[in-house]
Amino acid sequence: DAEITQSPRHKITETGRQVTLACHQTWNHNNMFWYRQDLGHGLRLIHYSYGVQDTNKGEVSDGYSVSRSNTEDLPLTLESAASSQTSVYFCASSEVGLAASGEQYFGPGTRLTVT
Amino acid sequence: KQEVTQIPAALSVPEGENLVLNCSFTDSAIYNLQWFRQDPGKGLTSLLLIQSSQREQTSGRLNASLDKSSGRSTLYIAASQPGDSATYLCAVNVDTGKLIFGQGTTLQVKP
Repeated sequence: DAEITQSPRHKITETGRQVTLACHQTWNHNNMFWYRQDLGHGLRLIHYSYGVQDTNKGEVSDGYSVSRSNTEDLPLTLESAASSQTSVYFCASSEVGLAASGEQYFGPGTRLTVT
Repeated sequence: KQEVTQIPAALSVPEGENLVLNCSFTDSAIYNLQWFRQDPGKGLTSLLLIQSSQREQTSGRLNASLDKSSGRSTLYIAASQPGDSATYLCAVNVDTGKLIFGQGTTLQVKP
């Protein structure tokens, strides 16, 4: 069955360190997204990609970057981790077009703590 | 700017009751609307997707409706069960997959 996996599932890091969260999907979807979920703010879009070599900023992109070198993966990098980036991070994918509904599928999430 | 609101924030009902969760959005220019379920500490599970041209979708005991012109959607859960206890999120697709989420309704179904 197609799925989205995220790794690691839990991560503790120190302020100032670079951290990369992995996202891998086997849906063969062109669209991939990163969200963060925080109490009081809900889910907010960080970055997204509509295909290989395409990346775009979302609502809360400061301090984050992504790269898309193939269809399956969209890693999220925190350039210099800050305590404000302690959150749960979700990766998602979808497909649009005549034969696709646009339904978005989510990974299990990564809980990141920055100390 | 699109805003999505879910009311109530929390709901507690006895088992067997039919219930309605509400979702409202400020801009009717949406591609579709998706309802999700989230269990504590878990990811999001897609429940129903309604395209902007549709009025409703059904899956088992769940029925979602969409009134795009008034900016409203409802999720109807029939004959609720304790296993339905979770947080329910609605999200509108504003631009080729970019989702704007509501804050969610946390549902507790008591045996």
